Amino acid sequence: GESVGLHLPTLSVQEGDNSIINCAYSNSASDYFIWYKQESGKGPQFIIDIRSNMDKRQGQRVTVLLNKTVKHLSLQIAATQPGDSAVYFCAGAEYGNKLVFGAGTILRVKS
Amino acid sequence: GAVVSQHPSWVICKSGTSVKIECRSLDFQATTMFWYRQFPKQSLMLMATSNEGSKATYEQGVEKDKFLINHASLTLSTLTVTSAHPEDSSFYICSARDNFGTSGQETQYFGPGTRLLVL
Repeated sequence: GESVGLHLPTLSVQEGDNSIINCAYSNSASDYFIWYKQESGKGPQFIIDIRSNMDKRQGQRVTVLLNKTVKHLSLQIAATQPGDSAVYFCAGAEYGNKLVFGAGTILRVKS
Repeated sequence: GAVVSQHPSWVICKSGTSVKIECRSLDFQATTMFWYRQFPKQSLMLMATSNEGSKATYEQGVEKDKFLINHASLTLSTLTVTSAHPEDSSFYICSARDNFGTSGQETQYFGPGTRLLVL
């Protein structure tokens, strides 16, 4: 089965710096990945997704990188702001199947 | 677009009572909705997959008679926690899959969650 996990439970960055959140997955058949942001007491918010036929995708201030060789993906946040403080989850799925979530990384932005 | 709502946002009930939580997709149709449970500082745990017009599919270890799911329309799924006990206290989150949207078929949009406290 699928399992998706995160390397670091907590990441502290200075405001204005770039943040990199990492995620590893075990199912080589996974072909779709999503990053979610969850603020305290709220539901997860979609940030960005990527398919396995891509190795990079950019959004507004965010970039997701996918390395299928080592089954690793990362979320990069440029110029991190206090409002970026939250828990970030990666999730992966095979086509049409349910998402499997990682453990989550807490991002703390220091002003 | 892709907004999902939940009601109520929080509920406090006595042990032994039943609680119903509603999940609605506001601007899209969702043939598939999902119900998750989340404990503090933990990840989301999938409880069941709710399919419109058919029975829900429960994950291993989730009691279907305790967590009743109904998906009667393309925009509404309900989760009823029957005979709730203090150990059922948790944050319940639903999500809906926009099968007809421009995002991936697997993309799920989440509701704001419902915090349940059973006394």
